[in-house]
Amino acid sequence: AQSVTQPDIHITVSEGASLELRCNYSYGATPYLFWYVQSPGQGLQLLLKYFSGDTLVQGIKGFEAEFKRSQSSFNLRKPSVHWSDAAEYFCAVGSRMDSSYKLIFGSGTRLLVRP
Amino acid sequence: ETGVTQTPRHLVMGMTNKKSLKCEQHLGHNAMYWYKQSAKKPLELMFVYNFKEQTENNSVPSRFSPECPNSSHLFLHLHTLQPEDSALYLCASSQDLFSGRNEQFFGPGTRLTVL
Repeated sequence: AQSVTQPDIHITVSEGASLELRCNYSYGATPYLFWYVQSPGQGLQLLLKYFSGDTLVQGIKGFEAEFKRSQSSFNLRKPSVHWSDAAEYFCAVGSRMDSSYKLIFGSGTRLLVRP
Repeated sequence: ETGVTQTPRHLVMGMTNKKSLKCEQHLGHNAMYWYKQSAKKPLELMFVYNFKEQTENNSVPSRFSPECPNSSHLFLHLHTLQPEDSALYLCASSQDLFSGRNEQFFGPGTRLTVL
């Protein structure tokens, strides 16, 4: 069955430091991959998505992610974290079930930013 | 209004009350979703509608009753809830269910507390 694993429940980084959030997926076909961010008490906002082509994709708020088929990974990165990036981050894969698609979400990684 | 809106944003109800959550999307989408997000648990997909037809019910208790009168509106009717139903209820929409490329757009959620 399709699945998404985010191995880190919490990550703490200092403001200005670089960030990498890990995501591994299990999906038989070419995956459609997404990263969402959720600020406290809010809904999820799309950061970026990957369907095909260049394996390094750019998103909003200075985030990028790299698709590595050999590692079944789609890790999210940011070169310099800002305090406002403190939030929960969800990786998701577009999964085909019967004749329709839905998103399978990982369990999320909570990012804490030290001043 | 733009995007996906949800009302109310906060709701406190007793176990014997009946209430409804409302979701409206202004994106011209055809698929709508209800998710439950509890503390320390992954996002749980509850119901999916595509072109007003329910396509998925993930073994949700009957005290939750969805209604989709048209492609722009989605309701979640609540009755005789339990304290463990306290959670953030998120509504989302997407173009349809026919492509894994269709990202989901989320509303801000309704924070439900059952006393």
